[in-house]
Amino acid sequence: DAGVTQSPTHLIKTRGQHVTLRCSPISGHKSVSWYQQVLGQGPQFIFQYYEKEERGRGNFPDRFSARQFPNYSSELNVNALLLGDSALYLCASSIQLGPRNEQFFGPGTRLTVL
Amino acid sequence: TQLLEQSPQFLSIQEGENLTVYCNSSSVFSSLQWYRQEPGEGPVLLVTVVTGGEVKKLKRLTFQFGDARKDSSLHITAAQPGDTGLYLCAGSNYGQNFVFGPGTRLSVLP
Repeated sequence: DAGVTQSPTHLIKTRGQHVTLRCSPISGHKSVSWYQQVLGQGPQFIFQYYEKEERGRGNFPDRFSARQFPNYSSELNVNALLLGDSALYLCASSIQLGPRNEQFFGPGTRLTVL
Repeated sequence: TQLLEQSPQFLSIQEGENLTVYCNSSSVFSSLQWYRQEPGEGPVLLVTVVTGGEVKKLKRLTFQFGDARKDSSLHITAAQPGDTGLYLCAGSNYGQNFVFGPGTRLSVLP
């Protein structure tokens, strides 16, 4: 089975632009989460979606938004890019929510904002 | 806000040595995961622990969840260069609101 896939793998944008990142979960997984990982730090939680509904939101500005589609794939959108948005954006999927919920990560999208 | 701390932040050892890394919080989690991450790649899940006091072994790696479900440890026996990477712990409550620690960067020298 294919793992979590993300596209694109790398992206270069300039300040003020908009970006859309895409994620396809493992087949059968209904929950998708997005994380931002700045160099040298652990991943920071941005959003979680389950069955197309937002189930959690981290401490990120409204410039960040996301959605989940009927096939459980997801998009992360970031508007008005800032230099500080440069990071590795990770998507993780899990089968469902629950006490033993396990997340599996994709390879990430490396975003560079110039 | 739930926070996870990890120690040490950096660790450099010789092949064959043993090591322990720690993950601590003031909050209770329903489960805790350990991941290993290579540069430029996504974290790879190593183990999930859910029961206070639980011990899990994965070859040379031993994971323990604290009795109060606030802390965890990862012990590696006879470390090998292939163990080099960033070790991350993450806590969650019933599959939501995952919180990651800052990681322990391990370097195993041949």
